[in-house]
Amino acid sequence: DQQVKQNSPSLSVQEGRISILNCDYTNSMFDYFLWYKKYPAEGPTFLISISSIKDKNEDGRFTVFLNKSAKHLSLHIVPSQPGDSAVYFCAASAGISSGSARQLTFGSGTQLTVLP
Amino acid sequence: KAGVTQTPRYLIKTRGQQVTLSCSPISGHRSVSWYQQTPGQGLQFLFEYFSETQRNKGNFPGRFSGRQFSNSRSEMNVSTLELGDSALYLCASSPPLGGHTDTQYFGPGTRLTVL
Repeated sequence: DQQVKQNSPSLSVQEGRISILNCDYTNSMFDYFLWYKKYPAEGPTFLISISSIKDKNEDGRFTVFLNKSAKHLSLHIVPSQPGDSAVYFCAASAGISSGSARQLTFGSGTQLTVLP
Repeated sequence: KAGVTQTPRYLIKTRGQQVTLSCSPISGHRSVSWYQQTPGQGLQFLFEYFSETQRNKGNFPGRFSGRQFSNSRSEMNVSTLELGDSALYLCASSPPLGGHTDTQYFGPGTRLTVL
């Protein structure tokens, strides 16, 4: 069962417009969420994160929104640039009672294409 | 500051062989996690090491193992390779403070092909 879901495998957006990438999760124990960007043949690059005590976090052109009641988060990129074209992964983490172990559960990714 | 490095970047093995992959974390980071990325299963957590101890393990068979050295460098080993082990193996390191909310920084990965 997929605990983190990205239902849109691809998204195309015009340069300068807003890109909105969505992510849903089912595990109510998740309390920390991250977005990564990945180019082919490279490792994921951290973009932005949000704790469950917040509903919004901004960093430059990137904003992540968290709706805990809906178990939904989204990443907004404004304005979108051609260099943003990549696969975007949503990831989630839960505090584990046995310690501070780190385990990220990833969504399947969304290929964003920003058209010039 | 140098990022996470992984060696080798590419590897070709045949079924039944074993393989060892290496990861050097960002300087000062003590937690190292390993992930497997395949087209069918996506990115899946293998295990995490902290201070030379395995702290968490994903749902993978015992053929997958790892270890961490006193300098935080980590290796993962896969024995009796199967075709399905062909994947991109990613290593990530995290700062020593806090817990599961520490950001994980990924290396470029090792592309393993099993023939």
